[in-house]
Amino acid sequence: SFVLTQPPSVSVAPGQTASITCGGDNIGDKAVHWYQKKPGQAPVLVIFYDSDRPSGIPKRFSGSKSGNTATLTLSRVEAGDEADYYCQVWDGTGDHYFVFGTGTKVTIL
Amino acid sequence: QVQLQESGPGLVKPSQTLSLTCTVSGDSISSGIYYWSWVRQPAGKGLEWIGRIHTTGSTNYNPSLKSRVTISVDSSKNQFSLKLSSVTATDTAVYFCARESVYSGADFWGQGTLVSVAS
Repeated sequence: SFVLTQPPSVSVAPGQTASITCGGDNIGDKAVHWYQKKPGQAPVLVIFYDSDRPSGIPKRFSGSKSGNTATLTLSRVEAGDEADYYCQVWDGTGDHYFVFGTGTKVTIL
Repeated sequence: QVQLQESGPGLVKPSQTLSLTCTVSGDSISSGIYYWSWVRQPAGKGLEWIGRIHTTGSTNYNPSLKSRVTISVDSSKNQFSLKLSSVTATDTAVYFCARESVYSGADFWGQGTLVSVAS
């Protein structure tokens, strides 16, 4: 089965930059989406199609991809950015289904 | 504004079938532009995509759950539903419904509903 690997945790001081990676086979050929998930709340789409931002998402959130790794970058982080972040990819080569990454807990120091 | 709302029993007995419905407002499932999906999150664990349906009835399921999952749509009521059979305690989770597409992700979500599997 298709696996997306993320670091379990990332810690960052307020005002600094946090980078979250998402690795998977042939991810370069797939559209990568990113979600923010806070306890007790529904996930929020923060980046779609590798680097596009939905309306209402601050420009501090950006996405990129190089080779088999996608990266979500949070610039000038704020206390409200503390959450779990998940990448997501459509596996259209085998069973045709969406796969979520393992998730990364972002802690604001 | 698109809104989704999950409904269904919060407690299901082991070996029985979990049934949830998602009611959509602010968009028409019949438009055919999007797929309509289910995602779950057990306590302390990550997000798991369960499956999705299109207004045409076309479905895709997570291979790990495929043998137990059925997703159906009732376009006349602008609703879609999830059935998960032979549940065990490991199916205890918060279940979310969402609107999604392959290239734009899941942009609208329900608030989620906790389903516990216990006798």
